[in-house]
Amino acid sequence: AQKVTQAQTEISVVEKEDVTLDCVYETRDTTYYLFWYKQPPSGELVFLIRRNSFDEQNEISGRYSWNFQKSTSSFNFTITASQVVDSAVYFCALSPYNDYKLSFGAGTTVTVRA
Amino acid sequence: GAGVSQSPRYKVAKRGQDVALRCDPISGHVSLFWYQQALGQGPEFLTYFQNEAQLDKSGLPSDRFFAERPEGSVSTLKIQRTQQEDSAVYLCASSHGLAASTDTQYFGPGTRLTVL
Repeated sequence: AQKVTQAQTEISVVEKEDVTLDCVYETRDTTYYLFWYKQPPSGELVFLIRRNSFDEQNEISGRYSWNFQKSTSSFNFTITASQVVDSAVYFCALSPYNDYKLSFGAGTTVTVRA
Repeated sequence: GAGVSQSPRYKVAKRGQDVALRCDPISGHVSLFWYQQALGQGPEFLTYFQNEAQLDKSGLPSDRFFAERPEGSVSTLKIQRTQQEDSAVYLCASSHGLAASTDTQYFGPGTRLTVL
């Protein structure tokens, strides 16, 4: 069974501040994928990033970056120079390799104030 | 647009009524998923279709829940004799291939069901 924990319920920041979202996961699978999704007020989940467990190299994509540490089972996500449009609920999710089920955390609500 | 669409966006039902929720996946997508999202929680898997075949219905909470995708495109999630605990947002997702790990799931806006 998979378990994803997002300990932060809500984060509020002022525009241009950086925001880091924590995600800790549990799985017995040796190979798996990790995801971050964004859910704006409109309701639909928007795919942001996917990372496989083979590669712990951290990357940056525009204002998004992520820090994957297999040793601590963490997959943290950072938004640099936040903007009001970043206000949304952010979900971390996990899927075993070649499985179709996504296991989601409870989400973190990010509010960016102008 | 060419994204996943769902209808209705909002549904209010009296306890005991039957409801039907529709999902139009992205054209050509083989896989279709239904998730249930309770208030303040992340989505939870309900069922999975590969074309018209329902390969996994392990997440359906009871036999009151039934899903179909008869022609491998549009899908309907039906809930019979609705209960208050069925109140949630029902999300549909589709993907081009067969496995979430290598294939992005694209989500629709969801149907918010309120059972009075």
